[in-house]
Amino acid sequence: AQTVTQSQPEMSVQEAETVTLSCTYDTSESDYYLFWYKQPPSRQMILVIRQEAYKQQNATENRFSVNFQKAAKSFSLKISDSQLGDAAMYFCAYRPGAQKLVFGQGTRLTINP
Amino acid sequence: DGGITQSPKYLFRKEGQNVTLSCEQNLNHDAMYWYRQDPGQGLRLIYYSQIVNDFQKGDIAEGYSVSREKKESFPLTVTSAQKNPTAFYLCASSHPGGMNTEAFFGQGTRLTVV
Repeated sequence: AQTVTQSQPEMSVQEAETVTLSCTYDTSESDYYLFWYKQPPSRQMILVIRQEAYKQQNATENRFSVNFQKAAKSFSLKISDSQLGDAAMYFCAYRPGAQKLVFGQGTRLTINP
Repeated sequence: DGGITQSPKYLFRKEGQNVTLSCEQNLNHDAMYWYRQDPGQGLRLIYYSQIVNDFQKGDIAEGYSVSREKKESFPLTVTSAQKNPTAFYLCASSHPGGMNTEAFFGQGTRLTVV
């Protein structure tokens, strides 16, 4: 079974500091996609960043970057210069090719001013 | 504007009733999904469809049914067999694979049993 595990139910960080959210996944596939989604209090799901497994280079989107370790099946999200607007639930998701999209349990991120 | 629309935003169901949640997309996506989210929890897959007239059960399909008669539409029926239907329901769509494969989500439907 394909599973995604986020081991940190809650995290907090001081504004302007850096925080890393963890995600591991279990798969026997070699070609797949990984995503981080943000869900603010409005509950609208917003794509933060994505990574194709065949790419060795870690994806970066402004203050958001990932540390993709394919052999370890790890896909962590680093948020630099944290802002109050980053407070949300963050979900890691995995998709093998054209198959279903599987989500982790989520990490609630709090930003302390 | 292209997007994915769920309706209604709030829905109340009496015990023993079937209710249908609407999901429409104009993104020309082949794949569509239904997820259930309970308070403080992640998204659990109910059903997904990769093409018109075809769909597969997800992890928690019992008590739910879907149809995919049109590419744009993927309605979810919550039947009376679903014992604990109170939850937040999210619909999503995506291209089935390759580049630009991220899922786009609707704004969700909050279903409450009264």
